[in-house]
Amino acid sequence: DAGVTQSPTHLIKTRGQHVTLRCSPISGHKSVSWYQQVLGQGPQFIFQYYEKEERGRGNFPDRFSARQFPNYSSELNVNALLLGDSALYLCASSLVGEEKLFFGSGTQLSVL
Amino acid sequence: DQQVKQNSPSLSVQEGRISILNCDYTNSMFDYFLWYKKYPAEGPTFLISISSIKDKNEDGRFTVFLNKSAKHLSLHIVPSQPGDSAVYFCAAQTNQFYFGTGTSLTVIP
Repeated sequence: DAGVTQSPTHLIKTRGQHVTLRCSPISGHKSVSWYQQVLGQGPQFIFQYYEKEERGRGNFPDRFSARQFPNYSSELNVNALLLGDSALYLCASSLVGEEKLFFGSGTQLSVL
Repeated sequence: DQQVKQNSPSLSVQEGRISILNCDYTNSMFDYFLWYKKYPAEGPTFLISISSIKDKNEDGRFTVFLNKSAKHLSLHIVPSQPGDSAVYFCAAQTNQFYFGTGTSLTVIP
């Protein structure tokens, strides 16, 4: 079975631009979460979605948004990119109610 | 506000010896704790977990200890192997997951 897949793997954008990151969860997993990992830090929670609804949100500005589709895949959108948005963006899926997260390999975003 | 802290950014251990990775937390409402391992260019992979109602959980070479009174969590790896060399993150859960900053473990052959 395929694990969590994320696309693209790498992305370079300039300040002010918009970016969309994509995630496909493990088959059967209905919960998807997004994390931002800045170099030298641990992953920081951005959003959790299941059953297409936002179930949790971390301390991130409104420039960050996400959605989940009927097939449980998810998109993370970031508007008006700042230099500080440069990070590894990780998607994780899990069974609803399960504590164990399964992570994808991430999307490395560089904002110039 | 860092609710989960890993104060040792790096650790080196000889192959076959014990590796002890430590984690401290501040929120007494955390009800579940996990350890993840991360290799370069890969996402974190789940290693072992423990519920707040327990004080020890063992899985093969990996044991996690929880000291609730001290708000301290530790991961023991015995015996350490070169393939264990990676960055280890501890994580704690309430309504969301909080991760520490990671400890880079190097196991020397």
